[in-house]
Amino acid sequence: AQRVTQPEKLLSVFKGAPVELKCNYSYSGSPELFWYVQYSRQRLQLLLRHISRESIKGFTADLNKGETSFHLKKPFAQEEDSAMYYCALKSGGSNYKLTFGKGTLLTVNP
Amino acid sequence: SAVISQKPSRDICQRGTSLTIQCQVDSQVTMMFWYRQQPGQSLTLIATANQGSEATYESGFVIDKFPISRPNLTFSTLTVSNMSPEDSSIYLCSATSGDGYTFGSGTRLTVV
Repeated sequence: AQRVTQPEKLLSVFKGAPVELKCNYSYSGSPELFWYVQYSRQRLQLLLRHISRESIKGFTADLNKGETSFHLKKPFAQEEDSAMYYCALKSGGSNYKLTFGKGTLLTVNP
Repeated sequence: SAVISQKPSRDICQRGTSLTIQCQVDSQVTMMFWYRQQPGQSLTLIATANQGSEATYESGFVIDKFPISRPNLTFSTLTVSNMSPEDSSIYLCSATSGDGYTFGSGTRLTVV
């Protein structure tokens, strides 16, 4: 069975500090990993997917198959980054089901 | 990417009644999904809805409790039947779109 673990429920940093939101997964095949973000009073939206290898809003995430991790990083946090972040896994093939972690609430303090 | 309009945004319902949640997508999508997000918890997939076939339910969810319709490629409904306070939750629809998945704004349901 596939599983996504986000060990930190809450993460608080100061503006300008580096931030890393951890995500580990368990899946026997080739997973596709995503980071979704939910800002206050807004809907869930895609932030990153590992296949595209993009940097969005200064965030990056690298899939480490050896460590089964997909940590989200940003070198200098901004107050507007405060939000709920969810790591999600899509199993391969024709199965489009997404499995979500429990989420990490990031607070960036001024 | 596709945009989903979900309604109602919230409702307070009496136990024993049913509520139907609607999701309208602004473009045709193959797969739609319904999730539940209980307070303080992550999103849990209820079922996958494809047009022209019965929904596929995840373990712990049954059609009698959560009937789903998918009459065309832009619309789906989820009904929460015979509600109890334990059904109080946020219900979200989602669809495959472009590079990922797009989500509705959610329905906050309170059962009293």
